[in-house]
Amino acid sequence: QQPVQSPQAVILREGEDAVINCSSSKALYSVHWYRQKHGEAPVFLMILLKGGEQKGHEKISASFNEKKQQSSLYLTASQLSYSGTYFCGARNSGGYQKVTFGIGTKLQVIP
Amino acid sequence: DGGITQSPKYLFRKEGQNVTLSCEQNLNHDAMYWYRQDPGQGLRLIYYSQIVNDFQKGDIAEGYSVSREKKESFPLTVTSAQKNPTAFYLCASRDPYGRTNTGELFFGEGSRLTVL
Repeated sequence: QQPVQSPQAVILREGEDAVINCSSSKALYSVHWYRQKHGEAPVFLMILLKGGEQKGHEKISASFNEKKQQSSLYLTASQLSYSGTYFCGARNSGGYQKVTFGIGTKLQVIP
Repeated sequence: DGGITQSPKYLFRKEGQNVTLSCEQNLNHDAMYWYRQDPGQGLRLIYYSQIVNDFQKGDIAEGYSVSREKKESFPLTVTSAQKNPTAFYLCASRDPYGRTNTGELFFGEGSRLTVL
């Protein structure tokens, strides 16, 4: 039932771009994106809602394809501070407030 | 300042003992969640609660119990039935109706439980 993320890990040089994908086997009501630094709590980046509404981080963009039950997070002109593990959280359609997460994508940005 | 407080931050217990992790929020959020984090496995949902006196099992509820007697509090008990309890535990809350924010999860700082 967990959403599936890809890739599992990626290494970038500063200034390069990356895309992280998230897909669900069930219909999605909303998708959340978070970044976690080692030993810390996850930090909210963006939420994408059914119907096309997006709210979140100014420098990070994302897409949500409801029909394909997929979301992608776009990191452009990466900075060292972008390093961490990125998680997508899925709230599936069907009523209750359950939010489940993928296993994460570990991103390392090097100078 | 509004937020979520988890305690204790670190906890050591002997095998076979029950342990209760505290989670308190002053954000006036209706929904609260407990996740377990192990290396390489992401965040796995243990229990969640939409309102007071109501909670639902997540994907890995076996060996855990919760209560939601007050809106602000959602304690998690790790029982002796949990076969591998050593992990990092994260509590979160959200406003499911998006009245005060975007409806995202607000996480506590986590509790690291080690069973010896």
